[in-house]
Amino acid sequence: DVKVTQSSRYLVKRTGEKVFLECVQDMDHENMFWYRQDPGLGLRLIYFSYDVKMKEKGDIPEGYSVSREKKERFSLILESASTNQTSMYLCASSGSGTGGETQYFGPGTRLLVL
Amino acid sequence: DQQVKQNSPSLSVQEGRISILNCDYTNSMFDYFLWYKKYPAEGPTFLISISSIKDKNEDGRFTVFLNKSAKHLSLHIVPSQPGDSAVYFCAASRSSNTGKLIFGQGTTLQVKP
Repeated sequence: DVKVTQSSRYLVKRTGEKVFLECVQDMDHENMFWYRQDPGLGLRLIYFSYDVKMKEKGDIPEGYSVSREKKERFSLILESASTNQTSMYLCASSGSGTGGETQYFGPGTRLLVL
Repeated sequence: DQQVKQNSPSLSVQEGRISILNCDYTNSMFDYFLWYKKYPAEGPTFLISISSIKDKNEDGRFTVFLNKSAKHLSLHIVPSQPGDSAVYFCAASRSSNTGKLIFGQGTTLQVKP
C-alpha cells in the first residue's frame, strides 16, 4: 500500500511565524504535490515537484515555497504565516508518466494561523 | 478560470437508491478523469478513473460515465450506503502535464438510512 505521511495533523501558529509542513512518501514516486483545501473551492495546487530539487508553481504559490532535497520528502514552507493561510493542507504523490497517474494523498494538516 | 466544475455543492439520497454526482470540464485536452472520496479530517482517497478513449468504467457499486462531446462526466453509486456519505471530488489531467490534476470544488453526498 502507498503511504503518504504528513508531519502534523493539527497546527496552530501566530501571524508572521515561519511554518514548515513535511510530507514523506514510501513508494519511490517521482511526483509530489502540495494542495490546500478550502470550503467551496475544492483542492487548489500550491506547488509540485517532478524530481529531486525540481519544483514548479501551481495555481496559488504566493506566500509559499517548497523544498525537495530527497525523493521521498517534499516540504511546504510558509515564510511568514498570515491568517488567510488558515486551511487544510494536503500532500500527494504519484508515479512518473505522461499523465493519468493516480495521486495518493496524506491525511492532511489543518493549520490555524492566529 | 474553473476548468473543472461540480455545480452541485451537496446531494442527499436515501440508502439503497442511486446517487449521481456530476462534473463538467471546459478543456478538451483533458484525457484522463478521476473521482476521489474524502471523509472529514482525512486525505482524499482514489475511487475510480476513466480514460478519454472509453465512455464507461465500472468498479463494483461505482460507475463513471464520460460524455466527451458534452464535456461531462458522472459518478453513479448503486446502491448507495450510509458509509458513502463524504465529499466527492472529480479531477482531470492532460497526458503532457507531469501528472498534474485539476480538481472540481467537490460535492457533499449524504446518504440517509
